[in-house]
Amino acid sequence: TQLLEQSPQFLSIQEGENLTVYCNSSSVFSSLQWYRQEPGEGPVLLVTVVTGGEVKKLKRLTFQFGDARKDSSLHITAAQPGDTGLYLCAGDSKTSYDKVIFGPGTSLSVIP
Amino acid sequence: SQTIHQWPATLVQPVGSPLSLECTVEGTSNPNLYWYRQAAGRGLQLLFYSVGIGQISSEVPQNLSASRPQDRQFILSSKKLLLSDSGFYLCAWSVSLRLAGGHNEQFFGPGTRLTVL
Repeated sequence: TQLLEQSPQFLSIQEGENLTVYCNSSSVFSSLQWYRQEPGEGPVLLVTVVTGGEVKKLKRLTFQFGDARKDSSLHITAAQPGDTGLYLCAGDSKTSYDKVIFGPGTSLSVIP
Repeated sequence: SQTIHQWPATLVQPVGSPLSLECTVEGTSNPNLYWYRQAAGRGLQLLFYSVGIGQISSEVPQNLSASRPQDRQFILSSKKLLLSDSGFYLCAWSVSLRLAGGHNEQFFGPGTRLTVL
């Protein structure tokens, strides 16, 4: 069974701190996506990583795709309260060309 | 630009009542469409997806059903709601890989909060 695991499940930090969250699997993915979901809203796509070892930056967020394309990380520098939310990773499904599978998410709370 | 609409935003229904949630997409053609359910603070459970009009794939056996009567309309239904149907329902669309390639990036609607009492 194809699974994506995310760690930590919950994270509470002070404003200005740095953090890293992880998305891991035993399966190889052709791409991985990261989404952020604020309470009561739908998830919003942040980035898609495609190439093993790829690093993408989105302002204070840095995304990395593992060399073997089985894992990914999201690093946030100088976290702000606006970064609070549920961070979800997702990857292409091996059982269907038309769907993705989601990890369980990391819930981040940034305290002012 | 593309937009996705869901309604209603919130819904409180008694056990045993019917359900109809609607999702429409604007600004794109032949999208893949998806229904997800999310428990509080948790990941997304895929319920149904559709690659075209009248084509529905069910992921989880349950008392819910889905229909796609038009290219950009996706409906989630139930004849009799259960307490366990409570949750946050999200509709999403993606570009069809079969038609345009890509990576199945999902674009979500605002969601419907369903409470079954």
